[in-house]
Amino acid sequence: DTGVSQDPRHKITKRGQNVTFRCDPISEHNRLYWYRQTLGQGPEFLTYFQNEAQLEKSRLLSDRFSAERPKGSFSTLEIQRTEQGDSAMYLCASIPTGGINYGYTFGSGTRLTVV
Amino acid sequence: TQLLEQSPQFLSIQEGENLTVYCNSSSVFSSLQWYRQEPGEGPVLLVTVVTGGEVKKLKRLTFQFGDARKDSSLHITAAQPGDTGLYLCANGDDMRFGAGTRLTVKP
Repeated sequence: DTGVSQDPRHKITKRGQNVTFRCDPISEHNRLYWYRQTLGQGPEFLTYFQNEAQLEKSRLLSDRFSAERPKGSFSTLEIQRTEQGDSAMYLCASIPTGGINYGYTFGSGTRLTVV
Repeated sequence: TQLLEQSPQFLSIQEGENLTVYCNSSSVFSSLQWYRQEPGEGPVLLVTVVTGGEVKKLKRLTFQFGDARKDSSLHITAAQPGDTGLYLCANGDDMRFGAGTRLTVKP
């Protein structure tokens, strides 16, 4: 296992279109996090899963955003009716439950550009 | 949510200089993490600190967790251009990040 994989690396879409990103965490990691990062800022928490259960959602996650982790393995983040303000880097991270001392492993992110 | 403030926001220094960046909060953390992020990539964990007063060293990087576990600092000795990047601290309790310090080390 080579780490956390995110697909695609880059996505350009027209305003109003729907987009879906995928994250494949490290296989033995129970927790999976999604973040959004804009230029010059730190990652903003969006949501996280413990296995297949979505345990927390940020208020940043409007009703246009939805995330799933149906089998407790990979996760998808969908944005409906994209807006220019959705342009950002979307990061995924995973960690084993109780593994705080090991830190979170991040993927390389999906850079979304809404035109 | 415990807010993390990082300072300075930007730092540009010459190769060989020393520097310190800070991560502060009004709340107590059970643990705090430091990450470094390069453009176009995800953050990479540098260290986790869990004990008040703890000092950890990673080559030329020295991390300190405040006695009250409300703040932390990262000191880099003899900075090199390869140290250039965005340095982020994160609250280990809820994995919220500060805005980061963007460090540029000029050769």
